[in-house]
Amino acid sequence: DGGITQSPKYLFRKEGQNVTLSCEQNLNHDAMYWYRQDPGQGLRLIYYSQIVNDFQKGDIAEGYSVSREKKESFPLTVTSAQKNPTAFYLCASSTQFGGVGKFFGPGTRLTVL
Amino acid sequence: GEDVEQSLFLSVREGDSSVINCTYTDSSSTYLYWYKQEPGAGLQLLTYIFSNMDMKQDQRLTVLLNKKDKHLSLRIADTQTGDSAIYFCAETLGAGTALIFGKGTTLSVSS
Repeated sequence: DGGITQSPKYLFRKEGQNVTLSCEQNLNHDAMYWYRQDPGQGLRLIYYSQIVNDFQKGDIAEGYSVSREKKESFPLTVTSAQKNPTAFYLCASSTQFGGVGKFFGPGTRLTVL
Repeated sequence: GEDVEQSLFLSVREGDSSVINCTYTDSSSTYLYWYKQEPGAGLQLLTYIFSNMDMKQDQRLTVLLNKKDKHLSLRIADTQTGDSAIYFCAETLGAGTALIFGKGTTLSVSS
């Protein structure tokens, strides 16, 4: 079955630690995205990648980093510089950037203690 | 600037129709989307409409677009308890641009 997987579903980290969230897709999509969701805030774009070895900052990139070494993988690192990292993180992909029909993964809930 | 707005809550009874409304500010939007999010889950694409269309119907779902007023609505006929979720309206301004989301409307269906 084609789809997007994110792991882990729940993640707990101590303040000051970096943490990496995994996102993998087997849909052969070129574009991948990371969104952050906070209660009552909707979704905000953190980073996106239009193609392998390329990525761009979204609206709230500060304190985050990404890599896109393989087409199917787009990991997100939440660094200690992110002031308020506790949130629900959603990964998405589409055939091309801005293309119709983004598919979303199930999300990772990160809690910083 | 770009902005997508939705009312935050809607409560209906099982079997009634639900209408979720959305307004957007950018007249150059090309595609408008409706996503559904169940508790603790990712977003599921329900339907989308191209900006040169007025209406799209897909089983129990009807999307209406009033481009002049920049107003989009999602009607769910015969609403079921399984339709309880958060519904997000989103727009893109064309190829090469990201999705812009509203804050979501929480639909509560009572039996």
